[in-house]
Amino acid sequence: DGGITQSPKYLFRKEGQNVTLSCEQNLNHDAMYWYRQDPGQGLRLIYYSQIVNDFQKGDIAEGYSVSREKKESFPLTVTSAQKNPTAFYLCASGRLVAGVGANEQFFGPGTRLTVL
Amino acid sequence: AQSVAQPEDQVNVAEGNPLTVKCTYSVSGNPYLFWYVQYPNRGLQFLLKYITGDNLVKGSYGFEAEFNKSQTSFHLKKPSALVSDSALYFCAVRDRNGGYQKVTFGIGTKLQVIP
Repeated sequence: DGGITQSPKYLFRKEGQNVTLSCEQNLNHDAMYWYRQDPGQGLRLIYYSQIVNDFQKGDIAEGYSVSREKKESFPLTVTSAQKNPTAFYLCASGRLVAGVGANEQFFGPGTRLTVL
Repeated sequence: AQSVAQPEDQVNVAEGNPLTVKCTYSVSGNPYLFWYVQYPNRGLQFLLKYITGDNLVKGSYGFEAEFNKSQTSFHLKKPSALVSDSALYFCAVRDRNGGYQKVTFGIGTKLQVIP
C-alpha cells in the first residue's frame, strides 16, 4: 500500500456520533483524496486537497469534513449528518503535474466503517 | 463530464487462458486512462496508465491495455491468466483538459480465474 497508512482498519460508530478516520502519507505527495467505496458503485470522491490548508468538495461531500494542516496528513470526519455512513473508506495521494502528464494515485489499505 | 463504463460485473476465465476486462470511457477532450486492481479488503494498486504515444501500454504483473480512440476503449489484457489474478479491477479516466486532476472510476469488474 505504498507509504500511505489509514487507521483504524475497522471502526464502529453509534448513530449520532462523529468519527474521524486517519490518513498519513510519507511519499511527499501534494495531492490527497478521500473516496467512499460501496458494492456495485465503484469509488466516489468525497474530498480532495492539492495543498496544505486548502481542500475542495468532491461528488459526495455532504455529511463529511476534512482538514489539511500538514502535507502528510488528511483526516476525514464522518459527521452525524451523513445519513448512510456504513462503507469502506479509501485515502489516496498523488503527485501533482503541471502541464502535460498524469500521475497515478497511491491508495491506503482502507477503513471499514460500520454504524450500529 | 467524464465517465467510465465497465460493462461486465464479472469475468470468468480458466487458468492459462488469455483474459480481457473491458472498459469504455467518455471525456470531452483527450483522456488519461488508468487500470487499478483491488484485492479483498485492501486498497487499490496501480497497474498501468495511458498518457500518449503507443496505444499498447504494458504494466505490472504481465498486464497490458490497448487504447482505441475510435472505439473510446481501454481494455485490460493478459496473455495467460493466473489464479492469483483473481481480484476486482477498476478502470479510471481523467480528462486531459481538466484543471483539477479529478479521476473518475468505473464500478469495477470482478475477475475470477478458475484453476
